[in-house]
Amino acid sequence: DAKTTQPPSMDCAEGRAANLPCNHSTISGNEYVYWYRQIHSQGPQYIIHGLKNNETNEMASLIITEDRKSSTLILPHATLRDTAVYYCIVRVASRWTSGSRLTFGEGTQLTVNP
Amino acid sequence: DGGITQSPKYLFRKEGQNVTLSCEQNLNHDAMYWYRQDPGQGLRLIYYSQIVNDFQKGDIAEGYSVSREKKESFPLTVTSAQKNPTAFYLCASSALEKGSGANVLTFGAGSRLTVL
Repeated sequence: DAKTTQPPSMDCAEGRAANLPCNHSTISGNEYVYWYRQIHSQGPQYIIHGLKNNETNEMASLIITEDRKSSTLILPHATLRDTAVYYCIVRVASRWTSGSRLTFGEGTQLTVNP
Repeated sequence: DGGITQSPKYLFRKEGQNVTLSCEQNLNHDAMYWYRQDPGQGLRLIYYSQIVNDFQKGDIAEGYSVSREKKESFPLTVTSAQKNPTAFYLCASSALEKGSGANVLTFGAGSRLTVL
């Protein structure tokens, strides 16, 4: 699996957009980019994933560069409840099995300030 | 509501004792996972199972054991051979997104084990 690099921490003002970057320069063509977040002492929560097109859901938007070597998770209007560790993970898609070695790094600690 | 239930939420044990953490899911997911998290660090994969009666070691399997006798259940035993068992343990499950092959994990709330 491709390695990902994220800044260890970021700050954002409440109500503003939070843009969390992730570098995955060794990504291969069949690898998805996944984003999860973990609020303190809870289990991680899935946010969004994508292959090469930009994606949006009710939680966030995912922007993947054309060369797929980096991506940005956008929380359009951050709230205090968005304070969490955000994990960017790259993993190959598999049509044959549902289990895989999904590895979480140390992520980015996002702090949303009032 | 479908989800993953981990128990107990908090557990204390003495050194040298084995302890079993429970993980049950009603999501009809084929795959289940166990992760360990130490303070201020990311998640590390202990074991995972793609199907009943089959499981594979993750990155830090030494000192742990699992079983997968039922699709819904994937208990983790922390044995006395695990040198530093105090940690936050997370169970997850996933199903294959049939169209794309993407693999989204759903996590439980975690079990915090403290060795006294």
